[in-house]
Amino acid sequence: KQEVTQIPAALSVPEGENLVLNCSFTDSAIYNLQWFRQDPGKGLTSLLLIQSSQREQTSGRLNASLDKSSGRSTLYIAASQPGDSATYLCAVLSYNTDKLIFGTGTRLQVFP
Amino acid sequence: ETGVTQSPTHLIKTRGQQVTLRCSSQSGHNTVSWYQQALGQGPQFIFQYYREEENGRGNFPPRFSGLQFPNYSSELNVNALELDDSALYLCASSLGAGPTGELFFGEGSRLTVL
Repeated sequence: KQEVTQIPAALSVPEGENLVLNCSFTDSAIYNLQWFRQDPGKGLTSLLLIQSSQREQTSGRLNASLDKSSGRSTLYIAASQPGDSATYLCAVLSYNTDKLIFGTGTRLQVFP
Repeated sequence: ETGVTQSPTHLIKTRGQQVTLRCSSQSGHNTVSWYQQALGQGPQFIFQYYREEENGRGNFPPRFSGLQFPNYSSELNVNALELDDSALYLCASSLGAGPTGELFFGEGSRLTVL
């Protein structure tokens, strides 16, 4: 059974810091991994999608890497800003289930 | 290009009642999936519809049911509401039945069961 874990559960950093959010999954048989952002009480915004054959994806200040064999992904946020404050969720699409399995998220606060 | 839209945004029901939530998929997308997100948790997969047929279901009881219409919009129905059904219900659309590309989510419907 696929399980997705995100560490840390919460993170508070000063503006300008570079930071790394971690996601691990137990079953490496995945099609892809997706990172989402969720603002309080809102829906999910897709940030980056990494296919199983890829190692990383970049969008602006965001870079996501995938190491399928070790069951890990990281989301790197460069030069963090207060507007980055949100919950960040990772989700994997597994071979066995064909459904997206989510972690519980990392709640990020960037203070000025 | 319009995104995924959901209605209503908020609603309050009492135990035992029934609720219908609605979702319009992103333009050009023919697959809709529904997720339940309890407070402080990640979303949990309920089911998926492709071309009006259910083609995947999570670990939810039969009182959770759905429909997809010819225009690919969708409904989630929950009967005999329980307190634990209080959650944010998210709809996501994508293109194709299989595990393909990105899922695009709506803003969700916040259901409170009293």
